[in-house]
Amino acid sequence: NAGVTQTPKFQVLKTGQSMTLQCAQDMNHNSMYWYRQDPGMGLRLIYYSASEGTTDKGEVPNGYNVSRLNKREFSLRLESAAPSQTSVYFCASAFVQNSDTQYFGPGTRLTVL
Amino acid sequence: QKEVEQNSGPLSVPEGAIASLNCTYSDRGSQSFFWYRQYSGKSPELIMSIYSNGDKEDGRFTAQLNKASQYVSLLIRDSQPSDSATYLCAVIGGGSNYKLTFGKGTLLTVNP
Repeated sequence: NAGVTQTPKFQVLKTGQSMTLQCAQDMNHNSMYWYRQDPGMGLRLIYYSASEGTTDKGEVPNGYNVSRLNKREFSLRLESAAPSQTSVYFCASAFVQNSDTQYFGPGTRLTVL
Repeated sequence: QKEVEQNSGPLSVPEGAIASLNCTYSDRGSQSFFWYRQYSGKSPELIMSIYSNGDKEDGRFTAQLNKASQYVSLLIRDSQPSDSATYLCAVIGGGSNYKLTFGKGTLLTVNP
């Protein structure tokens, strides 16, 4: 049981490049989330998917898109990376959206030059 | 904007002491409250969840919730150097707001 996995672990991009961060969970969870964590800012929600087939914006969605590919997988895409998107990105999942514990993946450390 | 505020820290306690971490939240309708621990360079991991007013104990950890005062705290008894980490308070808002809002965290250092 791997829990929540993320790829890649580290990535360096140049401004304007695009990339997709992958997330998968094997816990049969319904809800999945993408957060970014910046020094002094805490964890901020980018997008979430309450259940397969639905996605919604979080606190900081600008510059990102998401796809809930199936129940297990939830990807985050940066179409045109900017230095302001340099951050650590965490994927999380929960069995149900309301009130349930979220389990986090190991994170992706992204640097945009 | 629903907010979660934590005492800014850093907090330093000697080994064996009680560490007290505090958190206030703005959404009066919030029903679910969590404490996560995050070691440097690692992902957050759940320590405690609490949903009802009062205390909830799990080993050396006690979470306390006071919905009237919109206040949740975490006490760590017999603090160990391995407890040194950033502690994140998180709240799920009431009504249709299902999003988990995190505080900025409090860095705890336990000195041997």
